[in-house]
Amino acid sequence: DIQMTQSPSSLSASVGDRVTITCRASQKIDSYLNWYQQKPGKAPKFLIYAASSLQSGVPSRFSGSGSGTDFTLTISSLQPEDFATYYCQQSYFPPLTFGGGTKVEIK
Amino acid sequence: QVQLQQWGAGLLKPSETLSLTCAVYGGSFSDYYWSWIRQTPGKGLEWIGEMNHSGSTRFNPSLKSRVNTSVDTSQNHFSLKLTSVTAADTAVYYCARGGGGDWNFDYWGQGTLVTVSS
Repeated sequence: DIQMTQSPSSLSASVGDRVTITCRASQKIDSYLNWYQQKPGKAPKFLIYAASSLQSGVPSRFSGSGSGTDFTLTISSLQPEDFATYYCQQSYFPPLTFGGGTKVEIK
Repeated sequence: QVQLQQWGAGLLKPSETLSLTCAVYGGSFSDYYWSWIRQTPGKGLEWIGEMNHSGSTRFNPSLKSRVNTSVDTSQNHFSLKLTSVTAADTAVYYCARGGGGDWNFDYWGQGTLVTVSS
């Protein structure tokens, strides 16, 4: 199985901050990398696919980059509704696997 | 607007069979694959498997021996059965759209907490 490792596991930030989350795959996965946002008690929300393509309706302050094994999710200016947990997921080959999550908390 | 609504028993005893169903409203049922994903505090998000309207399936090898799925195309429903459950199967289970090579989960059900306890 392809292991997905996210860092940090949690971070504290203020509204307006630029936030970057890292995801590393245990083997090369080209650009087959998705990002999700999850709020407490809710299902994950699909944010970014193919490492850098924004899903329809997702604010442009979210962006993704990377290929191969190293990927990043960036929130350019953190908004109050962005405090949540973020997960990466490899869509390269089954079994599909997710990172352990990064919780973005209010400083 | 695509919506997934899921239901099933929330409390099971060890060795029983978990049974969940997901209904798809809006969009095309036959044009997509449909997946089950579970979430635990300890192991995080875990993909269980996928199926399509014609019965084509693929499962996570870690669960394959205990997983069964079915599809009811007349009602746009798909179902999951997980046999011989243990406490380790306690999780929130989600249905989602995605699979069959297009492994982007763009629509999700609301989640069902399944607790396994004697």
